[in-house]
Amino acid sequence: KAGVTQTPRYLIKTRGQQVTLSCSPISGHRSVSWYQQTPGQGLQFLFEYFSETQRNKGNFPGRFSGRQFSNSRSEMNVSTLELGDSALYLCASSLDWGGFEQYFGPGTRLTVT
Amino acid sequence: AQSVTQLGSHVSVSEGALVLLRCNYSSSVPPYLFWYVQYPNQGLQLLLKYTTGATLVKGINGFEAEFKKSETSFHLTKPSAHMSDAAEYFCAVMENYGQNFVFGPGTRLSVLP
Repeated sequence: KAGVTQTPRYLIKTRGQQVTLSCSPISGHRSVSWYQQTPGQGLQFLFEYFSETQRNKGNFPGRFSGRQFSNSRSEMNVSTLELGDSALYLCASSLDWGGFEQYFGPGTRLTVT
Repeated sequence: AQSVTQLGSHVSVSEGALVLLRCNYSSSVPPYLFWYVQYPNQGLQLLLKYTTGATLVKGINGFEAEFKKSETSFHLTKPSAHMSDAAEYFCAVMENYGQNFVFGPGTRLSVLP
């Protein structure tokens, strides 16, 4: 069974631009969570989607948004990029909402210049 | 609010020596507890989890952890370190089912020949 895939793997953007990251969960998994990983703040939860609905949300500004499609694939969008948004963005999938077994993708490395 | 602390941002051990990575949590209720490992340029992989039942939990790659409620701890151990264990290790807490994970800051494990 294929694992969680994230595209693109690497991305360079300029301050003020917006970016969309994509995550395809493991087949059959219906929940997708997003995390931001930085050296200073560590791993921080962004949001979780299940059945196309946002179920949990972390403490991030409204510039960070996401959505989930009917096939469980998810996208996250960051608008008006800031230098501090440079991070590794990780996506994790699980069978159901709040699932204990989360399977992580390799991440998208976003660099904002 | 739940929080997770990991004592020691960097731990070095010799190959064949005992590995001990410390994790303490702050939670108003006994939480669900997890250890994840992250190899360079990869996502996180679940090592083991405690949800209910036996407090000594065995995971993959010879790792185990013990949930001690009185000490609010969930330390990770492995009797004999291998070079391939060199990675970053994260302890995580889920306070209630359906809530998001809260990760600790991580401990980088180095294994010396």
